[in-house]
Amino acid sequence: QQQVKQSPQSLIVQKGGISIINCAYENTAFDYFPWYQQFPGKGPALLIAIRPDVSEKKEGRFTISFNKSAKQFSLHIMDSQPGDSATYFCAASKLRGGSNYKLTFGKGTLLTVNP
Amino acid sequence: NAGVTQTPKFQVLKTGQSMTLQCAQDMNHNSMYWYRQDPGMGLRLIYYSASEGTTDKGEVPNGYNVSRLNKREFSLRLESAAPSQTSVYFCASSEYQPQHFGDGTRLSIL
Repeated sequence: QQQVKQSPQSLIVQKGGISIINCAYENTAFDYFPWYQQFPGKGPALLIAIRPDVSEKKEGRFTISFNKSAKQFSLHIMDSQPGDSATYFCAASKLRGGSNYKLTFGKGTLLTVNP
Repeated sequence: NAGVTQTPKFQVLKTGQSMTLQCAQDMNHNSMYWYRQDPGMGLRLIYYSASEGTTDKGEVPNGYNVSRLNKREFSLRLESAAPSQTSVYFCASSEYQPQHFGDGTRLSIL
């Protein structure tokens, strides 16, 4: 049973455009929602994360929007650049709480930004 | 600061061979994790260690064993490798959140 559903699987945008990736989760006990960025041949690296007490978090060109009632969150990349081309994973977990801070990942979105 | 270091980076095995993947972290984190990444499947948790001396199964533990050697090191062992275990394996560590990942071991089993 997949607890975090991510879409789309792949996304192509033009340089300067907006990239949007969506995720939905099922477990209402989750209270930590990170996005990881992965370049070929590298491990995933934390890009930005949000907790459900806020509806939006922005860091530079990257914004997470969070809808607690719908159990959905999304990543927006403004002014997308070719260097943003990577695979993006959403995830969900508990921030603290013993063994319950295991991350559950979405299946990933391959983003290609054309110059 | 190296972060999470995985060895080896690449390995080819024959079916039935055994192998241990090594992982070490220098961030003094209590928790460590092993994931596998397959195309279109995201990252799936194999085993994790919430603290030194404890290990627990994740989502896909069959065919694997782990050892938390000390606070720094967490190894993953394939006792009898199967072609279905061809994958990229990632180790991660954390003190609560976020998790920090190594650059992976690319394992092919023929």
